[in-house]
Amino acid sequence: DVKVTQSSRYLVKRTGEKVFLECVQDMDHENMFWYRQDPGLGLRLIYFSYDVKMKEKGDIPEGYSVSREKKERFSLILESASTNQTSMYLCASSFTGSYWGYTFGSGTRLTVV
Amino acid sequence: DQQVKQNSPSLSVQEGRISILNCDYTNSMFDYFLWYKKYPAEGPTFLISISSIKDKNEDGRFTVFLNKSAKHLSLHIVPSQPGDSAVYFCAASPNNYGQNFVFGPGTRLSVLP
Repeated sequence: DVKVTQSSRYLVKRTGEKVFLECVQDMDHENMFWYRQDPGLGLRLIYFSYDVKMKEKGDIPEGYSVSREKKERFSLILESASTNQTSMYLCASSFTGSYWGYTFGSGTRLTVV
Repeated sequence: DQQVKQNSPSLSVQEGRISILNCDYTNSMFDYFLWYKKYPAEGPTFLISISSIKDKNEDGRFTVFLNKSAKHLSLHIVPSQPGDSAVYFCAASPNNYGQNFVFGPGTRLSVLP
């Protein structure tokens, strides 16, 4: 069964901490994405990557950075966590040409206190 | 401004009846559309897709209709079952390359026994 695995289901961090969210896919997909989901706002794209070591800003990149050193792994970094970054974070991957779009991970519920 | 809109945040339907979820988009470049279903504490999963060369696509109890001139699509679930209770996201892309999807805010469907 193909998978996108996010390292943590729930995280609680303090304001100002540096936070790492890890995502690994086992499908050899070239495209990977980080979204956050907030009530009434749907899924908003933070960053994406179409290849190893490549990254592009999405719609809401402020306060975030990413790293893609290997094809299967895409990390989201909150440089200095703030309470407005409390959210559900979803990682997704796809291969170019897939008719079903993205395969999503189960999400990480991050609470910043 | 949201390019993909789902104007009903929630919908309740009796078991066995039809559920109709609506989605409107503003970008005339969108050419490929998906519906995803999301249960709590899980990532969204692909449900059904439609390309702009079609106006209807069926998969079992699920049918998606596309009205390109009105920039409107709808998802019909017949008959609705309690297990269909979830949040449904509409997504649109200018192509079916597996990239560049824009998501709507979602509609929470509750199917009542």
